[in-house]
Amino acid sequence: DSGVTQTPKHLITATGQRVTLRCSPRSGDLSVYWYQQSLDQGLQFLIQYYNGEERAKGNILERFSAQQFPDLHSELNLSSLELGDSALYFCASSLGTSGGAMAEQFFGPGTRLTVL
Amino acid sequence: AQSVSQHNHHVILSEAASLELGCNYSYGGTVNLFWYVQYPGQHLQLLLKYFSGDPLVKGIKGFEAEFIKSKFSFNLRKPSVQWSDTAEYFCAVNARAAGNKLTFGGGTRVLVKP
Repeated sequence: DSGVTQTPKHLITATGQRVTLRCSPRSGDLSVYWYQQSLDQGLQFLIQYYNGEERAKGNILERFSAQQFPDLHSELNLSSLELGDSALYFCASSLGTSGGAMAEQFFGPGTRLTVL
Repeated sequence: AQSVSQHNHHVILSEAASLELGCNYSYGGTVNLFWYVQYPGQHLQLLLKYFSGDPLVKGIKGFEAEFIKSKFSFNLRKPSVQWSDTAEYFCAVNARAAGNKLTFGGGTRVLVKP
């Protein structure tokens, strides 16, 4: 158990819908990262938040957005869902990334999203 | 484009065989290197990491990796695998040149036959 929790574990929805995935980082971790894992794209970094602020962006679609709340939990919002958005979405957390420090990331169990 | 490459997509071997998985990256400058393992149906777990110091890093479950800076490589090894090592293995690089984002290789699926 990494200490990172994600809900829900599974999500089945239809095309065009919007869903929200939730992540709670390890106690004390300030950074939250979101990743998408799919068969064709592999494991792709989406976005990172540090202490409530967006810190880095990866291959995140405009239909996707995220935020980190004052209690440090994070939500990933996926809208106008397409079949190709079906994937495993992982959240990870680390102590910090204050520009210079590159800390180890701890991964949550993931949310499996199926878009029908 | 800067990237992380894992040479083998699939590896099949028998118990007690030795395992070596290749990983190369193309980032210059300061890098932190990781190997993660994903057992079937589970989340990513850290096997080992290299930040600095001794380039031969020992991790959990008998795994080790060697950082060779001149070759931009961080290969994973285990002298004698077990059936329970069946999993997917990911090399990952966190490079200052890439904005401190963790970039993963494509993964190597390892099947250990009993």
